[in-house]
Amino acid sequence: DVKVTQSSRYLVKRTGEKVFLECVQDMDHENMFWYRQDPGLGLRLIYFSYDVKMKEKGDIPEGYSVSREKKERFSLILESASTNQTSMYLCASTGGLGSPLHFGNGTRLTVT
Amino acid sequence: AQRVTQPEKLLSVFKGAPVELKCNYSYSGSPELFWYVQYSRQRLQLLLRHISRESIKGFTADLNKGETSFHLKKPFAQEEDSAMYYCALTPRGGSQGNLIFGKGTKLSVKP
Repeated sequence: DVKVTQSSRYLVKRTGEKVFLECVQDMDHENMFWYRQDPGLGLRLIYFSYDVKMKEKGDIPEGYSVSREKKERFSLILESASTNQTSMYLCASTGGLGSPLHFGNGTRLTVT
Repeated sequence: AQRVTQPEKLLSVFKGAPVELKCNYSYSGSPELFWYVQYSRQRLQLLLRHISRESIKGFTADLNKGETSFHLKKPFAQEEDSAMYYCALTPRGGSQGNLIFGKGTKLSVKP
């Protein structure tokens, strides 16, 4: 069974801090994604990666960056956290065409 | 423009009643449609996809290209069906990473 693990379930950070959200998958998936989930707005794609060291902007990349140094790990970085980045962040991976997305449990980030 | 619309933010039904979660889409080509579900304190997961034409947990969804709809239906709702449901589409043959999600419908099944 595919496992996507997000390192933190809850995170509280201060405005201006640099924040790292980590995601690891154990199925050798090439494709990994970061979404944020907000009530009334659904899921919005922040960044995705189809290969190591490769990244593509999603729909709302502003204020975020990512890192994919190893195939199994995809990190989301908030360079300078702001209160409007308080949200639930979901990591996902997929094996490719026709494969379903497998999501992590999510990280609820609060920026104060 | 590609868009998925779920008109109901919240749908509340009684146990045993039929339930229909609406999903309409806007896409110029031939998409693949999906329903994802998130139960309380669980991760988001795939419920069903239209190309499979299968019933999962009693739910079915038929793609209506004429009406550009992909409504999720269950004849007799159960309390354990209470969850957040997202409709999503991707270009046919495309990676599910290009999924376009609706804003979600929260289903509440009352005893």
